Amino acid sequence: DAKTTQPPSMDCAEGRAANLPCNHSTISGNEYVYWYRQIHSQGPQYIIHGLKNNETNEMASLIITEDRKSSTLILPHATLRDTAVYYCIVISPSGGSNYKLTFGKGTLLTVNP
Amino acid sequence: DSGVTQTPKHLITATGQRVTLRCSPRSGDLSVYWYQQSLDQGLQFLIQYYNGEERAKGNILERFSAQQFPDLHSELNLSSLELGDSALYFCASSAVTGNYGYTFGSGTRLTVV
Repeated sequence: DAKTTQPPSMDCAEGRAANLPCNHSTISGNEYVYWYRQIHSQGPQYIIHGLKNNETNEMASLIITEDRKSSTLILPHATLRDTAVYYCIVISPSGGSNYKLTFGKGTLLTVNP
Repeated sequence: DSGVTQTPKHLITATGQRVTLRCSPRSGDLSVYWYQQSLDQGLQFLIQYYNGEERAKGNILERFSAQQFPDLHSELNLSSLELGDSALYFCASSAVTGNYGYTFGSGTRLTVV
């Protein structure tokens, strides 16, 4: 699976958009970009994923560059409860039932009042 | 409630002892994954089971073992415990096809004294 690079930490003001970048310059054509977050000591939570197109759900938006070498997770209106470590993960589904996720260090997003 | 149930939530035991952590996956999910998270190591993949069979192995110590039962619940057995085994242990489950998002449980905090 391709390696990802994320800033170790970011700050955001409450109510503003949080834009979390991820670099995955060695991504292959069939690899997906997944985002998870982990609020302190809780289990990680799936946020969103994408392959080529931009994606949006009730939690966030995912913008993937045309060359797919980087992506940005956008939390449109950050709240204090969005303070968490955010993980960008690139995975290559091998089909069937074998697709483990490898977590890196992620980005600690701190939302300030 | 994520749908993945882990018990117990907290466990304190002495060095040299053996413990069993239990995980019930989300309804309909056939895959179960175990992760260990210690303060200095981040989320480490231990092992995956799919419909009762071991499918992938990570950095799991020989003192640790797991199994998945016919009702799809899984147990992680940790033996000859050492102080360094103190960590959060997370279980996650996933569906076979489609969205590869994992659903994590809230974890078991193991403290070895």
